[in-house]
Amino acid sequence: DAGITQSPRYKITETGRQVTLMCHQTWSHSYMFWYRQDLGHGLRLIYYSAAADITDKGEVPDGYVVSRSKTENFPLTLESATRSQTSVYFCASSEWQGSNTEAFFGQGTRLTVV
Amino acid sequence: GNSVTQMEGPVTLSEEAFLTINCTYTATGYPSLFWYVQYPGEGLQLLLKATKADDKGSNKGFEATYRKETTSFHLEKGSVQVSDSAVYFCALSADSGGSNYKLTFGKGTLLTVNP
Repeated sequence: DAGITQSPRYKITETGRQVTLMCHQTWSHSYMFWYRQDLGHGLRLIYYSAAADITDKGEVPDGYVVSRSKTENFPLTLESATRSQTSVYFCASSEWQGSNTEAFFGQGTRLTVV
Repeated sequence: GNSVTQMEGPVTLSEEAFLTINCTYTATGYPSLFWYVQYPGEGLQLLLKATKADDKGSNKGFEATYRKETTSFHLEKGSVQVSDSAVYFCALSADSGGSNYKLTFGKGTLLTVNP
């Protein structure tokens, strides 16, 4: 199916464990993004990527690692999970069209760190 | 830097009431403005957008007008329905050099519409 999909939808992990959240898009969009959504903070950008093998930090990158070896995939890894990383994570993609750029979002991954 | 400020809510209305959610912004360059909606358990989806001053974006009965003089993009709907219950995010994409390919979001406003 065309679109952007995230997996898993729900994840519980223990403090200190490594966990990877997956994101896959079928449109061949150049840009991909990872956001976290927390009450009182709205959406905050963690990392973004302008193309395969090009990534850059967003607003809250500490504790996260990303890679983008293929255009369609943009996994987010928590190297050593902490309770403060309990959140809902959204992946998004877009194709740059100047000021008309629209981002398309996945359904989110709810991560709980215990 | 760029920022978006929207009324925090939560907002609770009765069906058929008038809705306004305020949004103001600061940005370098000339931004495009967006409203995204998040229904329960889902990701965000674009509701409407406007790319230049005095443009009006509209969709599903919602409207917002790009006001450059007041740096605002308030969301309105004349008669809300229970199905409009969701979280609404105002966002901007600034048309300046460098990092103009990412959206800056407000904190979101939870709307609950009661029958």
